[in-house]
Amino acid sequence: AQTVTQSQPEMSVQEAETVTLSCTYDTSESDYYLFWYKQPPSRQMILVIRQEAYKQQNATENRFSVNFQKAAKSFSLKISDSQLGDAAMYFCAYRAQGGSEKLVFGKGTKLTVNP
Amino acid sequence: EAGVVQSPRYKIIEKKQPVAFWCNPISGHNTLYWYRQNLGQGPELLIRYENEEAVDDSQLPKDRFSAERLKGVDSTLKIQPAELGDSAVYLCASSLELWGETQYFGPGTRLLVL
Repeated sequence: AQTVTQSQPEMSVQEAETVTLSCTYDTSESDYYLFWYKQPPSRQMILVIRQEAYKQQNATENRFSVNFQKAAKSFSLKISDSQLGDAAMYFCAYRAQGGSEKLVFGKGTKLTVNP
Repeated sequence: EAGVVQSPRYKIIEKKQPVAFWCNPISGHNTLYWYRQNLGQGPELLIRYENEEAVDDSQLPKDRFSAERLKGVDSTLKIQPAELGDSAVYLCASSLELWGETQYFGPGTRLLVL
């Protein structure tokens, strides 16, 4: 069974600084998807960024980028120029290839942004 | 475009009472998911629908949980009777049944069983 591990229960960063959240996963599949979701206190789970395993290029969305290391099964999220609104729980998630497979989530990392 | 809608947002009940949650997915999304998120944990899948068919309900506690998705649109998740351990956030998500499509989540229903 696939598993996702987030080893940092909590992280903090100063406003305007950069922070990296770690995620590792375990799978025997070669094709799959990886996601980072953000969940603010309002509980709405919002997609931050996604990565297709067959793509070597790391995904980037504005201030958010990933470091995808397929051989190491590592998928970290880098947030640049951190803003107060970035404070939230961040969940790493894995999904097997297929049209509608379920997401397997890690336990999350609580990010605090200090002014 | 409207997102995934869930109701109610909060529900407090006593144990052994029944409770139901409702979800309206994004228009055109034929796949619907119910996840349960316990405190301090990531969400875990309870059931997945493709149109009206439940294609993965292996994690649904069938002795007390039931779900339906009539006409392949709205869905209802029911618990009867509720137990103290059912206190959690129940999240609904939807996606297109296409290769690689993203799942979009609703705001969730926070259930507290006393």
